[in-house]
Amino acid sequence: DTEVTQTPKHLVMGMTNKKSLKCEQHMGHRAMYWYKQKAKKPPELMFVYSYEKLSINESVPSRFSPECPNSSLLNLHLHALQPEDSALYLCASSQDPLRDFYNEQFFGPGTRLTVL
Amino acid sequence: GQQLNQSPQSMFIQEGEDVSMNCTSSSIFNTWLWYKQDPGEGPVLLIALYKAGELTSNGRLTAQFGITRKDSFLNISASIPSDVGIYFCAGQYGGSQGNLIFGKGTKLSVKP
Repeated sequence: DTEVTQTPKHLVMGMTNKKSLKCEQHMGHRAMYWYKQKAKKPPELMFVYSYEKLSINESVPSRFSPECPNSSLLNLHLHALQPEDSALYLCASSQDPLRDFYNEQFFGPGTRLTVL
Repeated sequence: GQQLNQSPQSMFIQEGEDVSMNCTSSSIFNTWLWYKQDPGEGPVLLIALYKAGELTSNGRLTAQFGITRKDSFLNISASIPSDVGIYFCAGQYGGSQGNLIFGKGTKLSVKP
């Protein structure tokens, strides 16, 4: 099973709202990732969790707050977003972030976020 | 920073034709990955390559890890309408903690 699930599929929120995106994998992977993808562009890395610890934060604004409650779950908390934050948000996981090989990432279907 | 050059940017082909796309890098990678993305969906892993010179197939898809470790190509034989989508290459270097460098994508359109 190489499935990563994400909820919700679509989310519309106002600039004053607080919402959360959820991601889950049951492949026993120890690395989980959040990406942001704008139309016609490749995914841009936001955060990496390695063994449930935040290991990479690609200078993401504080209105995005990641959380890794356990090895299977990854959340992205959203607060006071801007319209330019509208995008497809992708979660991915891989087996072991400390391995240089056989560490391919598997992506979820994404959450389409619209900020009004 | 590291960059990947992916070409072509887009392709319009007839059903049944073969397709070839490639990526080149200014840096050496340990891993090359090829993904396909349909509109509104997440990228799906097609092929993973780990060794220089490695040639790997997945059905009608064939990909190779370049000898210099700075390039990779993906071929699709006998294209069909469901091959439509955006194809991304991605490279990973040693010690990157899983950080992938993505190409800008190749948009494939297939005329039935």
